[in-house]
Amino acid sequence: GAVVSQHPSRVICKSGTSVKIECRSLDFQATTMFWYRQFPKQSLMLMATSNEGSKATYEQGVEKDKFLINHASLTLSTLTVTSAHPEDSSFYICSARGDGDGYTFGSGTRLTVV
Amino acid sequence: GESVGLHLPTLSVQEGDNSIINCAYSNSASDYFIWYKQESGKGPQFIIDIRSNMDKRQGQRVTVLLNKTVKHLSLQIAATQPGDSAVYFCAENRASGTYKYIFGTGTRLKVLA
Repeated sequence: GAVVSQHPSRVICKSGTSVKIECRSLDFQATTMFWYRQFPKQSLMLMATSNEGSKATYEQGVEKDKFLINHASLTLSTLTVTSAHPEDSSFYICSARGDGDGYTFGSGTRLTVV
Repeated sequence: GESVGLHLPTLSVQEGDNSIINCAYSNSASDYFIWYKQESGKGPQFIIDIRSNMDKRQGQRVTVLLNKTVKHLSLQIAATQPGDSAVYFCAENRASGTYKYIFGTGTRLKVLA
């Protein structure tokens, strides 16, 4: 089946620095990728939709200059959290859609900003 | 605003019994629904999906029921096993063609030995 690889699984960074998270579709070409964040004991909140070769579409309330998304190829999307602050600490999850209706999730990245 | 919500935040079930997890949605235009399972520290895992032109779909040990009249979705797990312990989310596709999914708040399923 479709596999989505997300890296790193955990990252700790200092406040004010930037962190890049990668999301790769391993055995299929992803026409669209999505980025979610999830706070403890809460549901997934969609941050943005990433389309290969075009600008990402951000959900209301998500700062596009803070959460930079690049979808340079059909198998790779990256999310960069710029000037991270402790309130950005969260579980970030990507998902990718191939040709079907459903999509596959990555294993998530636990970001801790200290 | 519109939302997808769950009735029970935590469900405890004896091993071997059947589990029923419920979900209410408010957008009658949603045409596709998915149930996901999420284990601690991991990404969601697809369980089963259903389109709005169906009212029931069965998988291996799981059944999803859709009642469009009352906008209700349920996930039934037969012979619940310890490995079924996780948080379960329902998700709806509100805008056909965009593949943007809105997730419910989640129900934690605890399987008791």
